[in-house]
Amino acid sequence: GIQVEQSPPDLILQEGANSTLRCNFSDSVNNLQWFHQNPWGQLINLFYIPSGTKQNGRLSATTVATERYSLLYISSSQTTDSGVYFCAVVIIGGSQGNLIFGKGTKLSVKP
Amino acid sequence: GAGVSQSPRYKVAKRGQDVALRCDPISGHVSLFWYQQALGQGPEFLTYFQNEAQLDKSGLPSDRFFAERPEGSVSTLKIQRTQQEDSAVYLCASSLSGFGEKLFFGSGTQLSVL
Repeated sequence: GIQVEQSPPDLILQEGANSTLRCNFSDSVNNLQWFHQNPWGQLINLFYIPSGTKQNGRLSATTVATERYSLLYISSSQTTDSGVYFCAVVIIGGSQGNLIFGKGTKLSVKP
Repeated sequence: GAGVSQSPRYKVAKRGQDVALRCDPISGHVSLFWYQQALGQGPEFLTYFQNEAQLDKSGLPSDRFFAERPEGSVSTLKIQRTQQEDSAVYLCASSLSGFGEKLFFGSGTQLSVL
């Protein structure tokens, strides 16, 4: 089946630092989403980005579908950015309801 | 409602007991999804509805798991004869249309089977 690999698995930042999280996937996809799971377990949708670049405040994401990767950029990190960031994809030809998640990147932002 | 609502927030069950978990999707959302999340892992797909039709149930781990959405809005995930390995957080999500849309997740139900 499709492999969704996220790196790094863990990341510790000082408040104000920038970071880049990566998601590699092994098959062609037609749906890619980034989520943030806060320390209380709530999953928040950050981006729906099967291709191209989007920006939302301090966050931006880029997906290069032909090269099978996506990047999530966090600038000027804040302690509230702490949590786990998940990349999730739907493969072309697969069940359109089946969003396959990576194992996540655990981010800790220190004050 | 404003978001996806799940109840109960926590459920403790004795092994062998049946449980029912409820999900209220965002009003007007056509698609509804159930996921299971083990500790330290990403969510794993269980099943997917479009309106009242269950289009994919390939992720349900056994025939002890059953989901329904009879009127195309509220959904219930039922687990019969619970076992310890069923302990996990069960997440419900909804999206406006069938696919190609953002998923919005509820806060989940944390199930502990003793």
